[in-house]
Amino acid sequence: DAGVTQSPTHLIKTRGQQVTLRCSPKSGHDTVSWYQQALGQGPQFIFQYYEEEERQRGNFPDRFSGHQFPNYSSELNVNALLLGDSALYLCASSLANGNGEEQFFGPGTRLTVL
Amino acid sequence: GESVGLHLPTLSVQEGDNSIINCAYSNSASDYFIWYKQESGKGPQFIIDIRSNMDKRQGQRVTVLLNKTVKHLSLQIAATQPGDSAVYFCAENRGSGGSNYKLTFGKGTLLTVNP
Repeated sequence: DAGVTQSPTHLIKTRGQQVTLRCSPKSGHDTVSWYQQALGQGPQFIFQYYEEEERQRGNFPDRFSGHQFPNYSSELNVNALLLGDSALYLCASSLANGNGEEQFFGPGTRLTVL
Repeated sequence: GESVGLHLPTLSVQEGDNSIINCAYSNSASDYFIWYKQESGKGPQFIIDIRSNMDKRQGQRVTVLLNKTVKHLSLQIAATQPGDSAVYFCAENRGSGGSNYKLTFGKGTLLTVNP
């Protein structure tokens, strides 16, 4: 049973560019959440997708957008990259109608903006 | 505003000792708390959770205590092992259920276990 997978593992971009990160949820999960983790900090919630719609959003600008596909996989897009966007981007999956709220995290994508 | 924070940023213990990692939260409406372990280069790994209608929950070698009166959460690790070395995060989860939950993380405590 595959866990949460993310691609790519690492990515280097320059300021002003755009980036797309991808996530496949744990088998059987239908909800995907994205988090940004700056170095030495805890993860910060970006947004959550369920039934191909954004359900909740954290305090992130519109440059951050996402999408969820019918197979529950998800993409995170960041436009007009800033140096401050350099971070580990984590995807977490969960089951909307499960008994618990446990979110399973992927290994993350390390984004470096130069 | 909302915040979930930790009292100690680093903790160093000897192998075999018990470890206690503390966390304070400020949002009294929080109803679900989770402890995660994050090893270098990996995503957070679920350790144990507790709901606000409980004050203690035990797992394998781990115990979480919740004191709602002072908004304090702790993680106890028994017989700490070198493999327990990692950054530990407490997270607050608030919502009406199911997919409406989002996690608010503290900054983390680095646990180092000395052999």
